[in-house]
Amino acid sequence: TQLLEQSPQFLSIQEGENLTVYCNSSSVFSSLQWYRQEPGEGPVLLVTVVTGGEVKKLKRLTFQFGDARKDSSLHITAAQPGDTGLYLCAGRVYNTNAGKSTFGDGTTLTVKP
Amino acid sequence: SQTIHQWPATLVQPVGSPLSLECTVEGTSNPNLYWYRQAAGRGLQLLFYSVGIGQISSEVPQNLSASRPQDRQFILSSKKLLLSDSGFYLCAWTGTGHGYTFGSGTRLTVV
Repeated sequence: TQLLEQSPQFLSIQEGENLTVYCNSSSVFSSLQWYRQEPGEGPVLLVTVVTGGEVKKLKRLTFQFGDARKDSSLHITAAQPGDTGLYLCAGRVYNTNAGKSTFGDGTTLTVKP
Repeated sequence: SQTIHQWPATLVQPVGSPLSLECTVEGTSNPNLYWYRQAAGRGLQLLFYSVGIGQISSEVPQNLSASRPQDRQFILSSKKLLLSDSGFYLCAWTGTGHGYTFGSGTRLTVV
């Protein structure tokens, strides 16, 4: 059973377009992280959200944590080819041992110039 | 600053051969350490984690094992590799924050 579901699985857009990717679950998380990964490299942490309803902005990226702490979204404004990559969300449930997080299967984003 | 080193970057091994992947962390003490495996372009599956020297927890029964001989060293091993062990292996650590810092990964191909 997949604890975190990401959608869409694949997204191909033109440079300058806006996009939103989603991360949904039936579980409640104490925190949720978003990562970006390029081929052949490890994921890089973009943001951690910890408060229900929280919105964080990182340049053209806007992250939102759902009020019920079960879902999150990532919105990219005016996408650029450099945004291409695999976007992963990861949630940490309450009372987890050793800070473990569960990962979604990711959204593969391709931004065409 | 904290850094994480993982090697080798790529590895091609025959079926039945042993495996040893090493990961070391610098600039922090008593980190939580993790080994993940990733299928091509997909999410990460937690294999092992460790909260201290000699303390290993396994998440998925499999052909692999892990050890933590020193505070900042984490090793992934196998006595006899299977074809199904192929994949992208990632080491990671966490401290007091919520997110992981990952190594650059090892691409393992079992032939």
